[in-house]
Amino acid sequence: GEDVEQSLFLSVREGDSSVINCTYTDSSSTYLYWYKQEPGAGLQLLTYIFSNMDMKQDQRLTVLLNKKDKHLSLRIADTQTGDSAIYFCAESRGGSYIPTFGRGTSLIVHP
Amino acid sequence: DAGVTQSPTHLIKTRGQQVTLRCSPKSGHDTVSWYQQALGQGPQFIFQYYEEEERQRGNFPDRFSGHQFPNYSSELNVNALLLGDSALYLCASNRQLQETQYFGPGTRLLVL
Repeated sequence: GEDVEQSLFLSVREGDSSVINCTYTDSSSTYLYWYKQEPGAGLQLLTYIFSNMDMKQDQRLTVLLNKKDKHLSLRIADTQTGDSAIYFCAESRGGSYIPTFGRGTSLIVHP
Repeated sequence: DAGVTQSPTHLIKTRGQQVTLRCSPKSGHDTVSWYQQALGQGPQFIFQYYEEEERQRGNFPDRFSGHQFPNYSSELNVNALLLGDSALYLCASNRQLQETQYFGPGTRLLVL
């Protein structure tokens, strides 16, 4: 299977919270990342978490890490239409800092 | 503060041709990595350059080569293009041994 897995699509109503989930296989993952990609654009680093942390909050974004289950989630509070994009989960191991990406979750925000 | 820049934005080539893509890293960054993103997929790591040398390489054939210049900018060269090389090519930069990479907007390559 893939090293990093994500569901492909998520549809939410504007103003609701979005939760994007990700699982990874390697227990030696050191850093876990969330990137955002808007149509026709490169990747924007949203946030990242070190593997010895359980949670990280940054304004509307909350990252939760369950290291035992190798599960990472990104919660976006008060989702807006501008949040519509593809969200990539990624992990890096050891000191390489080279992220391995999932296939991305396409978030669609409708009025 | 300029971010990562890439040129050209779009490129069309035919099978068998060669292509060169260019990247300038974010100010203060000395390490450049290249990724290939096929349609509907996540980026796949090609290689990383630091101090003008290839430091790490992903699972890509020798047709993919690169270079880093003394000003830290970088080129990605692909020889003998195949239809399957059609993708968005992303450049990312960081400071050596720092955990976060910053990505450029990419070059979209179409091979006919």
